[in-house]
Amino acid sequence: QSALTQPASVSGSPGQSITISCSGTSSDVGAYNYVSWFQQHPGKAPKLMIYDVSNRPSGVSNRFSGSKSGNTASLTISGLQAEDEADYYCSSYTRSSTLVFGGGTKLSVL
Amino acid sequence: QVQLQESGPGLVKPSETLSLICTVSGGSVSSDSYYWSWIRQPPGKGLEWIGYISYRGSTNYNPSLKSRVTISVDTSKNQFSQRLRSVTAADTAVYYCVRWYCSRNSCYLDYWGQGTLVTVSS
Repeated sequence: QSALTQPASVSGSPGQSITISCSGTSSDVGAYNYVSWFQQHPGKAPKLMIYDVSNRPSGVSNRFSGSKSGNTASLTISGLQAEDEADYYCSSYTRSSTLVFGGGTKLSVL
Repeated sequence: QVQLQESGPGLVKPSETLSLICTVSGGSVSSDSYYWSWIRQPPGKGLEWIGYISYRGSTNYNPSLKSRVTISVDTSKNQFSQRLRSVTAADTAVYYCVRWYCSRNSCYLDYWGQGTLVTVSS
C-alpha cells in the first residue's frame, strides 16, 4: 500500500487560516469516510484532531475542521496560533482493512 | 481513562527479533469494536502502521511487514504484543501501541501509548 500524499510543509501567520491536503486513491480516502488527522509535537505521541473526515474529538478546538472531496481530504486550521506549530498526519482506512498514513506536513507559524 | 504503555528492550541486534508488549489499563482488550494496533515512526520520519489484532485473535498486517511480524493478545493480562523478526537498522523507530476503534459507522485511532524507542544495532 502506498502512503497518502501530503505537502511536506505549510506555513502561515498568527490569525490566518491554512489548509493541508491529503491525497489518496479510490481504495482508501475515496472508499470510506474514515479519514483522520493527527497533530504531533516534537517528542510526543500523535494526538487525534479530526476523525471520520470532519468530526472533532471532545476537547479539540473548533478552529480545526476537516473535509473530503473524492480521493482528497483536507484539514483546515483557522485563526492560527503559535501552539499549532507541529507535524500533521492524515490516515485512512483502506479496502484491504488496513490503515495507511500520509507522509506528514510540517506546519510553521511565522 | 484508557492508558497504554509499551515495554521491551531498547536495543536489538541485527537479524534478531524485536519483541514489545503493550499493557492496557482503564479499559479491557476484550471489547468488541476495538482493534489493538502497533504503529512505528523512524527518527525524523513519518508514521507507519504495522498491524492490529482483535481480542478474538483476528489480525491484519501492513503488507510490507507481513512476512516478519506477528501480533498476539493476552486477555488474561490485558496485554497485546508484537514480534518483528530479522530486524535491520531500518527497523529502528519509536514504536507506539494504539487503540483503534472501528465500527460500521466510524473508524479512528483514539488512545496512544507514549512510545518506546527501539534501536537496531550491534
